[in-house]
Amino acid sequence: SQTIHQWPATLVQPVGSPLSLECTVEGTSNPNLYWYRQAAGRGLQLLFYSVGIGQISSEVPQNLSASRPQDRQFILSSKKLLLSDSGFYLCAWSEVPAPFFGQGTRLTVV
Amino acid sequence: GQQLNQSPQSMFIQEGEDVSMNCTSSSIFNTWLWYKQDPGEGPVLLIALYKAGELTSNGRLTAQFGITRKDSFLNISASIPSDVGIYFCAGVKTSYDKVIFGPGTSLSVIP
Repeated sequence: SQTIHQWPATLVQPVGSPLSLECTVEGTSNPNLYWYRQAAGRGLQLLFYSVGIGQISSEVPQNLSASRPQDRQFILSSKKLLLSDSGFYLCAWSEVPAPFFGQGTRLTVV
Repeated sequence: GQQLNQSPQSMFIQEGEDVSMNCTSSSIFNTWLWYKQDPGEGPVLLIALYKAGELTSNGRLTAQFGITRKDSFLNISASIPSDVGIYFCAGVKTSYDKVIFGPGTSLSVIP
């Protein structure tokens, strides 16, 4: 069966520091991969999605970037974090329309 | 852009009561999805609907794909405390399109 791993679960980073969140999927090939962000008590905002290795689409202009170095690995990065980057970051995968989410990373920028 | 609306925005109900919530759009979708998010966790898929008029159950949960293809409904019968969370609807036009999520309905169950 397919599983998705996302780490770390929580992260506290100072303003201006770099960021790297990693997500890996097991048990499937060539999945669509997604990064979402969720502000406290709010809905899901799609940040990036990828339909294959090296193929990244960005949904909103922002301080973040994404990369897909391997078929089942999706990385969210930033060179310099802003306070506004705080939030709950969710990775998801799909082969069919329905995305399946990881456990999320709670990022607090201080 | 495409938007989904969910109502109500939040609900406070007594344990044992039935719950109804809905999701509407000005656009037609070919797939409707319902998710539940527990606090601090990622959303979990509850029900997927693929055909207009389809009625699908998952335990005490029942969801329907609206005939107009512009709405969907979720009912929870005999609510229990573990039903607490945020319920998201999502719509998909085709397998090649992005999934569009609604803003969520927050459910609180009073024991």
